[in-house]
Amino acid sequence: DIQMTQSPSSMSVSLGDTVTITCRASQDVGIYVNWFQQKPGKSPRRMIYRATNLADGVPSRFSGSRSGSDYSLTISSLESEDVADYHCLQYDEYPPTFGGGTKLELK
Amino acid sequence: EVQLVETGGGLVQPGKSLKLTCATSGFTFSNAWMHWVRQSPEKQLEWVAQIKAKSNNYATYYAESVKGRFTISRDDSKSSVYLQMNSLKEEDTAIYYCTGYYSYWGQGVMVTVSS
Repeated sequence: DIQMTQSPSSMSVSLGDTVTITCRASQDVGIYVNWFQQKPGKSPRRMIYRATNLADGVPSRFSGSRSGSDYSLTISSLESEDVADYHCLQYDEYPPTFGGGTKLELK
Repeated sequence: EVQLVETGGGLVQPGKSLKLTCATSGFTFSNAWMHWVRQSPEKQLEWVAQIKAKSNNYATYYAESVKGRFTISRDDSKSSVYLQMNSLKEEDTAIYYCTGYYSYWGQGVMVTVSS
């Protein structure tokens, strides 16, 4: 199975920060990476699809990028509503695999 | 408005069975590739199963951890997808979500396997 190594597992952040979360794929997954936001007690919400595309309704302060086997989610000028858990997913190969998640917490 | 509603969860003893239902509306279900994804008490997400559309011969795929025990199916006339779970194990305890295209998600249903 393809491993998605997500870092950091948790992050202490301040409002207005620029935050970057990364997933490293154990083998080539091309553009087939999604990023999800999940708030307590809620379902995941797709934020980024195909590595760099903003999902409908997602604020433009969110962006996705790729450098080789590293996939990143960046939140510019963090707002309070962005404090949540974030997960990456590769769906290039079966089985689709998620990263371990990143928990953002306010300082 | 897109809606996915999962039902059928609960507390079940190891070795028993449970069937989850995901009823959908608001999108063209018959074309959608549907998945079940679960989230452990430790908050780790795990893909469980997928069923493709009629045009893809309803092809199904499973995580190794559930292969041979779980069966995904769909009824396009009811815009619903199902997950039949047999021989349940304690490690199957999780919140189970159905999702279409990873874009549309249900609210999740809790499955607890415990004696």
